[in-house]
Amino acid sequence: NAGVTQTPKFQVLKTGQSMTLQCAQDMNHNSMYWYRQDPGMGLRLIYYSASEGTTDKGEVPNGYNVSRLNKREFSLRLESAAPSQTSVYFCASSESLMTSYNSPLHFGNGTRLTVT
Amino acid sequence: GENVEQHPSTLSVQEGDSAVIKCTYSDSASNYFPWYKQELGKRPQLIIDIRSNVGEKKDQRIAVTLNKTAKHFSLHITETQPEDSAVYFCAATLFGEKLTFGTGTRLTIIP
Repeated sequence: NAGVTQTPKFQVLKTGQSMTLQCAQDMNHNSMYWYRQDPGMGLRLIYYSASEGTTDKGEVPNGYNVSRLNKREFSLRLESAAPSQTSVYFCASSESLMTSYNSPLHFGNGTRLTVT
Repeated sequence: GENVEQHPSTLSVQEGDSAVIKCTYSDSASNYFPWYKQELGKRPQLIIDIRSNVGEKKDQRIAVTLNKTAKHFSLHITETQPEDSAVYFCAATLFGEKLTFGTGTRLTIIP
């Protein structure tokens, strides 16, 4: 049982390049999320998917797109990378946003992205 | 939307002493308040949570208190140990909504 798996662990991009961050979970969770973590800013939500087939913007969606490929996988795409997107990116999952209780987030190990 | 403020941003305590981290939230409807711990280079992990129908919850050396009237909640760590050194994040939400995180507190335990 691997939990939440993210790839790659590290990536360096030049300004204007594109890339996709991959995330998969094996806990049969319905909801998945992408966060970015910057010093002094905490964890900010980029996009989330409450259930398979749905995606919604979070707090900082500009410059990103997402795809909920199936129940297990949720990818984050940077179409034209900018230095402001240098950050650590975390994927997370939870049982469901829509249950009658709040289920905890399970995070992946993160992707450290540098855009030069 | 919800806004969560967390203080202090850094905290150093002697090993064996207690540490307290405080958070305030803006939405009086919020009903779930988790705390996550992130060790250096690792992923955030849930350490304790509290729901709005409870005023306090304890788990060994860790406790969380909630004051709904004042809209603030706190993490208390007693008898601190070196392995407690980490960044701690508070968060708040209500049923069906996404978590809003605080900006984090870097706790350093001095041997």
